[in-house]
Amino acid sequence: EVQLVESGGGLVQPGGSLRLSCAASGFSFSSYSMNWVRQAPGKGLEWVSSISYSGSYIFYAESVKGRFTMSRDNAQNSLYLQMNSLRAEDTAVYYCARAGDGSRLDIWGQGTMVTVSS
Amino acid sequence: QSVLTQPPSVSAAPGQKVTISCSGSSSNIGNNYVSWYQQLPGTAPKLLIYENNKRPSGTPDRFSGSKSGTSATLGITGLQTGDEADYYCGTWDSSLSAVVFGGGTKLTVL
Repeated sequence: EVQLVESGGGLVQPGGSLRLSCAASGFSFSSYSMNWVRQAPGKGLEWVSSISYSGSYIFYAESVKGRFTMSRDNAQNSLYLQMNSLRAEDTAVYYCARAGDGSRLDIWGQGTMVTVSS
Repeated sequence: QSVLTQPPSVSAAPGQKVTISCSGSSSNIGNNYVSWYQQLPGTAPKLLIYENNKRPSGTPDRFSGSKSGTSATLGITGLQTGDEADYYCGTWDSSLSAVVFGGGTKLTVL
C-alpha cells in the first residue's frame, strides 16, 4: 500500500524549533519529488516547500524561507522539515505529499499538528 | 490572499449539478496543469482531478475538470450528501517557483 506517515508535531514555544518527519512506503520514494503543505486551523491549504527526487532542488514559500529547511534521505525513504524560529502563525497541520507528473500532489499523509504557543 | 481565486462556498440540492471556478494568471493556470483536491471534514486532502481534466482511479465520473486560458472549472453532477467537502484547485506558478492553491470552496448539498 502506498503510504505517507508524518510524525514530530507537538507544542513548541515561539522562537523554538521542531523537526517533522515523513515516512514513505509502498512506492519508489527516490523517484518522486516531495512537498510539505500546511493548513492552519479553519483555513485553506498553504504550500510550504518542495524537494526534487534527488534533493538537488528545493523551493520554499516566502513565509518560511530562511527559517525552514527541507531535506530527504532516499536510503531511509524519509522526508524531513526542520523548522526554526517558529511563530504563532506557523500553527497548522503539516502534510507531506508526493508530487506526480504535472505538479499534481497525488498521495498525502494524514498530517501532524504543530502548535506554536507560550 | 490566495494566488488562485475560488468562490468561498457553493450549494445545490442532491442530484443536481454544481461548478466551482478557479481563476489565476498566465504564470500559473495559463501555462501549467491544474489539479483539484477534495478534503472531507476532518481528513487529509485527496487528489480528485489532475492535468486539468483527468481522473485518478477511484474518482467517480460524476467529477470533471476543464481549463480555458487562465481559469479552470470543477464540475460535479448527481450531487450526493457525501460530496459535502472543501474543494481546492492547485497548480505550479512559474514566476513564484511555488505550488499555489486556491482559497478553497465549501460545497454544501442541501
